[in-house]
Amino acid sequence: DTGVSQNPRHKITKRGQNVTFRCDPISEHNRLYWYRQTLGQGPEFLTYFQNEAQLEKSRLLSDRFSAERPKGSFSTLEIQRTEQGDSAMYLCASSLGPSRTEQYFGPGTRLTVT
Amino acid sequence: EDKVVQSPLSLVVHEGDTVTLNCSYEVTNFRSLLWYKQEKKAPTFLFMLTSSGIEKKSGRLSSILDKKELFSILNITATQTGDSAVYLCAVLDQDTGNQFYFGTGTSLTVIP
Repeated sequence: DTGVSQNPRHKITKRGQNVTFRCDPISEHNRLYWYRQTLGQGPEFLTYFQNEAQLEKSRLLSDRFSAERPKGSFSTLEIQRTEQGDSAMYLCASSLGPSRTEQYFGPGTRLTVT
Repeated sequence: EDKVVQSPLSLVVHEGDTVTLNCSYEVTNFRSLLWYKQEKKAPTFLFMLTSSGIEKKSGRLSSILDKKELFSILNITATQTGDSAVYLCAVLDQDTGNQFYFGTGTSLTVIP
């Protein structure tokens, strides 16, 4: 399977705990995006990488959220001191680059904070 | 401020009907508009539109963009139950780098 993959698919955690999600983009894709989606809403942009450089970060993103893409391949999204409001589907998407901006999404990680 | 507005929010039709979904946007420096289909999983890519008046077509689905009036439509003809999904519209605003703005989607239910 050469699509975008995400792990874990589901995560249940207690409030205050830290969680980390992983995204493996399509191999030749330079751009990688993280989104958050809650029920009845479209995906909300969190951050974006061009290769290993984090070029954009949503102003709405709390400093409890951090993302990395150390070698320009896979990426991790960490949420520290989780809150119940963090419960959502976290989606990762990748795209080829400037000339091909269409994004391909992974299956998502569903986070439930109890 | 909602940069991308989709209508209707939900739609219920019978198999064989034709539907038109709408997406209007307001961004300062438009680059592209994308349509996605989302069932109970991640969105899957349908179309990318960058130029006005050029219809993109894939089977029973088609889409067109009007950059002057700032909207796009997605048409589905001869609907089938497998078309039941949320259809999302996303717009890329060059002024915000490579940030896509998504609408809340149109939930389509096709009844047999």
